[in-house]
Amino acid sequence: EDQVTQSPEALRLQEGESSSLNCSYTVSGLRGLFWYRQDPGKGPEFLFTLYSAGEEKEKERLKATLTKKESFLHITAPKPEDSATYLCAARNSGTYKYIFGTGTRLKVLA
Amino acid sequence: DGGITQSPKYLFRKEGQNVTLSCEQNLNHDAMYWYRQDPGQGLRLIYYSQIVNDFQKGDIAEGYSVSREKKESFPLTVTSAQKNPTAFYLCASRNRQGDYTEAFFGQGTRLTVV
Repeated sequence: EDQVTQSPEALRLQEGESSSLNCSYTVSGLRGLFWYRQDPGKGPEFLFTLYSAGEEKEKERLKATLTKKESFLHITAPKPEDSATYLCAARNSGTYKYIFGTGTRLKVLA
Repeated sequence: DGGITQSPKYLFRKEGQNVTLSCEQNLNHDAMYWYRQDPGQGLRLIYYSQIVNDFQKGDIAEGYSVSREKKESFPLTVTSAQKNPTAFYLCASRNRQGDYTEAFFGQGTRLTVV
């Protein structure tokens, strides 16, 4: 069965303290690994699409990477405004469905 | 600006009532989705539609119904058969031109049973 697992569930960082969020996936025929940011009470905001193992994408303080089994979202020198829940999703080749992990709640303290 | 509009933002339902959540998009996307989000759980797929007049059940379709009469619109009805409807509902759409395209989400509707 296709599955996406994110860790940790929650993470508290001091401002400027870099860290990584993990997304492990078991998906047949991966058709994209997607990262989203979600603020409380809002819909998810698209961040990155990763297509194949070895690929990296960057946006401001965020960098997403992909291997054959997992993806990482690296946050460099985070700021309080980076506080949010980060969601990971994968699509397989057989369906049109996006399979979501439960997310990582990030809190960056000033 | 192109995007996905969900309404209302907050909705209250009495026991035994059906309610309909609206989702409209002007992105010219063929595919549309409805997800449910509960605290501590990932987004769970309720229904999805790849094209007008066609839709499929997702993982938790019981107690819900949809229609897709127009490309722009994909309303979700939460029926009285849904025993635990209090949740955050998210609508999304995707451009089917390309195998790896991402989904874009609306701002959600929070449904509460009173």
